[in-house]
Amino acid sequence: EPEVTQTPSHQVTQMGQEVILRCVPISNHLYFYWYRQILGQKVEFLVSFYNNEISEKSEIFDDQFSVERPDGSNFTLKIRSTKLEDSAMYFCASSEGRTQYFGPGTRLLVL
Amino acid sequence: AQSVTQLGSHVSVSEGALVLLRCNYSSSVPPYLFWYVQYPNQGLQLLLKYTSAATLVKGINGFEAEFKKSETSFHLTKPSAHMSDAAEYFCAVSGNQAGTALIFGKGTTLSVSS
Repeated sequence: EPEVTQTPSHQVTQMGQEVILRCVPISNHLYFYWYRQILGQKVEFLVSFYNNEISEKSEIFDDQFSVERPDGSNFTLKIRSTKLEDSAMYFCASSEGRTQYFGPGTRLLVL
Repeated sequence: AQSVTQLGSHVSVSEGALVLLRCNYSSSVPPYLFWYVQYPNQGLQLLLKYTSAATLVKGINGFEAEFKKSETSFHLTKPSAHMSDAAEYFCAVSGNQAGTALIFGKGTTLSVSS
């Protein structure tokens, strides 16, 4: 069964450093998403992406965040200058329609 | 605006007992509703979804949910809990087209005792 994959599974970084989180969506899906889950809190939407552009973004997705589909398979989330409060689990998801399928997540720890 | 409220952050049941996890939603458009399950240190797995077809939806692992428009509810049930059901369960509502955000509830942690 096709699934969304994410790398790395864990990442530790220093405050102010740039990080890139990678995702490989399900191959025939056209819509891609990033969500985050701060420890003990609910899952929050960051951004959705379709046809090589952002289709929707939340207030959380400020100028320090960017997304890219650099090739036909990968979908990335870049955080330019990480802050302590960026520590969270980041989930990638993809969909054909409204049903979104999630990857296993990347746990980001900012020190 | 859409929102989801999950009543009860923690539910405890005995093995073999009925599981009932509550979800109420608010949506200005006909909603698509979802339940996801998150096992410890894992991602979100789709349990079931309501997409405006049958109001009683069956999912994986013996779970089902009933969409009640009059009550704006989409409660998740399972007739007989198993130890392996222990996890966190999230109810979510989708916008009216593909590519829009899923809005999640705060989640309900289900504990199952023997």
